[in-house]
Amino acid sequence: QQQVKQSPQSLIVQKGGISIINCAYENTAFDYFPWYQQFPGKGPALLIAIRPDVSEKKEGRFTISFNKSAKQFSLHIMDSQPGDSATYFCAATFGNQFYFGTGTSLTVIP
Amino acid sequence: DTGVSQNPRHKITKRGQNVTFRCDPISEHNRLYWYRQTLGQGPEFLTYFQNEAQLEKSRLLSDRFSAERPKGSFSTLEIQRTEQGDSAMYLCASSLSGRNTIYFGEGSWLTVV
Repeated sequence: QQQVKQSPQSLIVQKGGISIINCAYENTAFDYFPWYQQFPGKGPALLIAIRPDVSEKKEGRFTISFNKSAKQFSLHIMDSQPGDSATYFCAATFGNQFYFGTGTSLTVIP
Repeated sequence: DTGVSQNPRHKITKRGQNVTFRCDPISEHNRLYWYRQTLGQGPEFLTYFQNEAQLEKSRLLSDRFSAERPKGSFSTLEIQRTEQGDSAMYLCASSLSGRNTIYFGEGSWLTVV
């Protein structure tokens, strides 16, 4: 059973555009929602994270929007750049349990 | 800060052979995790240590898999009698107690032929 559902599976965006990746969860015990960025052949690296008592968090060009009532959260990448081309994973955690989405492959074309 | 270190980075082995991967976590981190990742999927939890104690194991961790963290520092993941379905990237991650953030290593790719 997939604890965190992520969409889309792949995304192609023009340079300068906005990339949006969505995730949904069911377990209300989750208390931390990180996003990881993974380049080919590398391990995932923490990008940005949010707690459920906050509706939005912004770090540079990356923003997480969090809708607690809908049990959904999304990553927005503003002014997308070719260097952002990677696979992005959302995750939901409680305690020591981390559950990852299936990933979104983002391609930013020049 | 040298980050989480894993080796070997790549391993090709014949079916039926045993393989061992090593993980060196970030030095002050007392929690260590092993995950498995296949193409097109997110990391799947395998097992977790706090210091030297293995506190949790996933059902994914069959009896052919064993993990140790003998002195609460580095960890090893051994796969016995490898099968083709074991081909994946094995990721190690570490964190501090009470912190939500886990930091991944670059992974160890296993190909079973």
